[in-house]
Amino acid sequence: AQSVSQHNHHVILSEAASLELGCNYSYGGTVNLFWYVQYPGQHLQLLLKYFSGDPLVKGIKGFEAEFIKSKFSFNLRKPSVQWSDTAEYFCAVILMDSNYQLIWGAGTKLIIKP
Amino acid sequence: DAGVTQSPTHLIKTRGQQVTLRCSPKSGHDTVSWYQQALGQGPQFIFQYYEEEERQRGNFPDRFSGHQFPNYSSELNVNALLLGDSALYLCASSLAGLNEQFFGPGTRLTVL
Repeated sequence: AQSVSQHNHHVILSEAASLELGCNYSYGGTVNLFWYVQYPGQHLQLLLKYFSGDPLVKGIKGFEAEFIKSKFSFNLRKPSVQWSDTAEYFCAVILMDSNYQLIWGAGTKLIIKP
Repeated sequence: DAGVTQSPTHLIKTRGQQVTLRCSPKSGHDTVSWYQQALGQGPQFIFQYYEEEERQRGNFPDRFSGHQFPNYSSELNVNALLLGDSALYLCASSLAGLNEQFFGPGTRLTVL
């Protein structure tokens, strides 16, 4: 069955550290890719998305992600994290050739120490 | 422009009861998706409605049913509630279901 894997369930970093959160999916067809973020007490909101074109996409708040088709990956990065980046991050994938199924990863809880 | 709204915010039910949750999509959106999010887990897709029809469905039993109205708002119904149905139920709207989804604040359902 198709799935989305987020490698780390919990990540703890200090401010100014660099961040990379892994996301891999198991599906050989065409995909649309998303990263969503849920800040404490707030709604899920879109961080960035990839549909086609340049595989390096930039999102809000200095985040970026790179789609590597050969590795079925869409890792999220930020060069220097801030305390306000403490949140839960979800990777999600739409399977474009499979009735547009939307599959979510289990999430990564990111804690930034001030 | 109002975003996605959901009602009620919180709900407490007992086992065996039935519940109806409501969602109004963001203005201009025609597709509504429902998710169940258990504590500490990612959203689990329940189903998606487009043009008043259930377009796709996740791995949830028939106790979970829904409806979409001509104004694109939607309801999620759960019959014969189980303790395991306790979760945050999220509604998300989008345009044609292919693009980014905008989420509501959720309805916290507690089944006792």
